[in-house]
Amino acid sequence: GDSVTQMEGPVTLSEEAFLTINCTYTATGYPSLFWYVQYPGEGLQLLLKATKADDKGSNKGFEATYRKETTSFHLEKGSVQVSDSAVYFCAPYNYGQNFVFGPGTRLSVLP
Amino acid sequence: NAGVTQTPKFRVLKTGQSMTLLCAQDMNHEYMYWYRQDPGMGLRLIHYSVGEGTTAKGEVPDGYNVSRLKKQNFLLGLESAAPSQTSVYFCASSYWGTGGRNTEAFFGQGTRLTVV
Repeated sequence: GDSVTQMEGPVTLSEEAFLTINCTYTATGYPSLFWYVQYPGEGLQLLLKATKADDKGSNKGFEATYRKETTSFHLEKGSVQVSDSAVYFCAPYNYGQNFVFGPGTRLSVLP
Repeated sequence: NAGVTQTPKFRVLKTGQSMTLLCAQDMNHEYMYWYRQDPGMGLRLIHYSVGEGTTAKGEVPDGYNVSRLKKQNFLLGLESAAPSQTSVYFCASSYWGTGGRNTEAFFGQGTRLTVV
């Protein structure tokens, strides 16, 4: 079945630092790719998505590009804020399958 | 628009007790899911449903049962709770996007269950 590998956390950065969270996936067919974010005490919410190769998803200053050749969907942000502290989940989704979530990467941003 | 609502938000059970977690969505979504979240394990799929009256097993179904009698509701039951079922449970629903592809999952706020 589908699977995802994310960089292990926790990731601790200072405010305004550059963020990269790596995500690679294994999936049959042609999945859509998602990044979800979970703030403390809350459920997951969609951060961004991409549905085909070379698409770039973006939201709230975060970006990720669908790289089919390397089966990757790395999350980036040029300048993180304290409010970005959360757990980030990469998830491939394949037609007829289920959302498969990785273990998540916890990000802590210090002022 | 309430989205996905889980009931209850917190619960403490004694070993061997039973309970039902309720998930309700008001978005007319076909797919619904139950996940559990444990430290360092991410989200693991317990059961899911592709439509009213249908259910299927996910990655970790043992010790749980589900029912989807109405399209908007997805119930997760624990018949005889065990300490290993202490976890945070999330319900989600999703829809078919353009071209028949699911394009997003919406999550509830979670139910924190402790079995002592």
